[in-house]
Amino acid sequence: DAGVIQSPRHEVTEMGQEVTLRCKPISGHDYLFWYRQTMMRGLELLIYFNNNVPIDDSGMPEDRFSAKMPNASFSTLKIQPSEPRDSAVYFCASSQTVNNEQFFGPGTRLTVL
Amino acid sequence: AQSVTQPDIHITVSEGASLELRCNYSYGATPYLFWYVQSPGQGLQLLLKYFSGDTLVQGIKGFEAEFKRSQSSFNLRKPSVHWSDAAEYFCAVGAGGYNKLIFGAGTRLAVHP
Repeated sequence: DAGVIQSPRHEVTEMGQEVTLRCKPISGHDYLFWYRQTMMRGLELLIYFNNNVPIDDSGMPEDRFSAKMPNASFSTLKIQPSEPRDSAVYFCASSQTVNNEQFFGPGTRLTVL
Repeated sequence: AQSVTQPDIHITVSEGASLELRCNYSYGATPYLFWYVQSPGQGLQLLLKYFSGDTLVQGIKGFEAEFKRSQSSFNLRKPSVHWSDAAEYFCAVGAGGYNKLIFGAGTRLAVHP
């Protein structure tokens, strides 16, 4: 298996623009997680899905952030409009069942100018 | 509330020396505990995990960790460090159904030749 795939790996955009981050989980994994990593706040869980359904989105910072999982093999995290404080590395992870290891993707480094 | 503390932000060791990275957690019930490693520009990789049973857990790359309930600790150890171990190490506790991982701030390990 290719592991968790994220695209793009790097994204540079200007404040106010819409940003869409993409994730393909490992085939057969029922859980998908979105994390954000910053120097100030470390690794934070933003939202996670089970069988394509959002279970806990309490970590989503504000309404500018939204996440979807239209099918078992694809998820998006959208920021609209983006702000410089959204600059971070965004990770997607997936796991097979509850309590199992989470496999992380390589991350998307987002820079908002 | 659940939390994880990694007291050491940076640690430098010589190649071949032993290593211990500290982790303390706060969690009301029996915790699920994890150590992840992140190499520069990469996602996180699971080193080892503790769910129950033997409190000394063996992981990949020669790492081990010991769960000490009385001290609320889960310290990571390696008897002889290799230059390739230079990376950032994250301790995490599983909370809220154990899919929701709460990460510590990380410890950055440098290895001198």
